[in-house]
Amino acid sequence: GAVVSQHPSWVICKSGTSVKIECRSLDFQATTMFWYRQFPKQSLMLMATSNEGSKATYEQGVEKDKFLINHASLTLSTLTVTSAHPEDSSFYICSARTRLGSYEQYFGPGTRLTVT
Amino acid sequence: AQTVTQSQPEMSVQEAETVTLSCTYDTSESDYYLFWYKQPPSRQMILVIRQEAYKQQNATENRFSVNFQKAAKSFSLKISDSQLGDAAMYFCASIYYAGGTSYGKLTFGQGTILTVHP
Repeated sequence: GAVVSQHPSWVICKSGTSVKIECRSLDFQATTMFWYRQFPKQSLMLMATSNEGSKATYEQGVEKDKFLINHASLTLSTLTVTSAHPEDSSFYICSARTRLGSYEQYFGPGTRLTVT
Repeated sequence: AQTVTQSQPEMSVQEAETVTLSCTYDTSESDYYLFWYKQPPSRQMILVIRQEAYKQQNATENRFSVNFQKAAKSFSLKISDSQLGDAAMYFCASIYYAGGTSYGKLTFGQGTILTVHP
């Protein structure tokens, strides 16, 4: 149980365009979802936390206008990278908590974004 | 605030041998949880083992065990009988209980790349 999927698994886009990454909880309702960014051989950096139906909470230094997060339902959160630039190229990982009162987090397989 | 430190960027072990990965943490919270995650080349994060801070007994999961030293704020991972499939990046992480139904953010260490030699 507790499977999280991400789509697409990898995407290439041109500089200046926007790209949307989806994160879905397949067999549970996710009260809270998290978005991380990871560079090669580095740790996961939390970008934002989103709760269903409310605005995402962004970590310090993360541009909320550039990384738009929408948690429209209990099973879907999206991350849109707007006006992407080569420096936005990275591996993006989402995770989800199953319910209130639980610390368990389940991770998606990640999305590799390459901006050319 | 919580911090997690992994001081070994890379480690290597011979197949079938034992290796220990180090982790120290710092927290002012009394109720927290510690984890080791494995990230193989596929990049999928996999929970290896968890430890509740209120439990004195060290957690064990098959070939994986921890040495939890609460006073020293140390949480090392021992992998016994290492296998080629254990090769991955390993992250130590912590989370604290914030009260009610709330938990803080999962805080990760820098990671340790483990190589297993046949």
